[in-house]
Amino acid sequence: QLQLQESGPGLVKASETLSLTCSVSGGSIDSSSYYWGWIRQPPGKGLQWIGNIYYTGSTYYNISLQSRVTISVDTSKNQFSLKVSSVTAADTAMYYCARLFDDLGDYRHWGRGTMVTVTS
Amino acid sequence: QSALTQPASVSGSPGQSITIYCTETSSDIYGYHYVSWYQQHPGKAPKLIIYDASSRPSGVSSRFSGSKSGNTASLTISGLQAEDEADYYCGSYTSSSSSFGSGTRVTVL
Repeated sequence: QLQLQESGPGLVKASETLSLTCSVSGGSIDSSSYYWGWIRQPPGKGLQWIGNIYYTGSTYYNISLQSRVTISVDTSKNQFSLKVSSVTAADTAMYYCARLFDDLGDYRHWGRGTMVTVTS
Repeated sequence: QSALTQPASVSGSPGQSITIYCTETSSDIYGYHYVSWYQQHPGKAPKLIIYDASSRPSGVSSRFSGSKSGNTASLTISGLQAEDEADYYCGSYTSSSSSFGSGTRVTVL
């Protein structure tokens, strides 16, 4: 059974870089039908797509975030990662990693999420 | 990338049916846009309940149904139950990019 687990610091100082990792178990990250994505949700607000990555390293980012976001993949560790630079309070959110089924465009498997708070 | 508009809230009594609409505005007018719907209970991760506009994953109640016409998708919940009280998000996927609607809070009266 596929499982995704987010990990990383729960507190990040303003202007610094937020770094999270998603560890995948029960399936291989280099499967051809899937992308791997990051989605975030500020407290009390809706879901915001951050970006997707294919196992080859091809990335697609939300236009509003792409200047500060980097998503990478490590197939040897079955993990993919997120970096958001120059964070502000607006980046405080629950961060989810998820697997996207490319053929039908849906996120069928999600991690439980990890809360990241930006402090001043 | 797409912008998806949903009503902020919808309510209904137990046993009734409700429908949530999701209207998409996109600069990509040629690509096929896959529509999905997610249910999110407080403190939980979103759960896929409809994919490809009208298909249900295994294990999702048949009370949930979806459809799409033009640039508007809809989610109908039939026989509303207390457990259906949650936030619902539409999602769109095209050209390897995703987007989500603003979310609809469903309240069971």
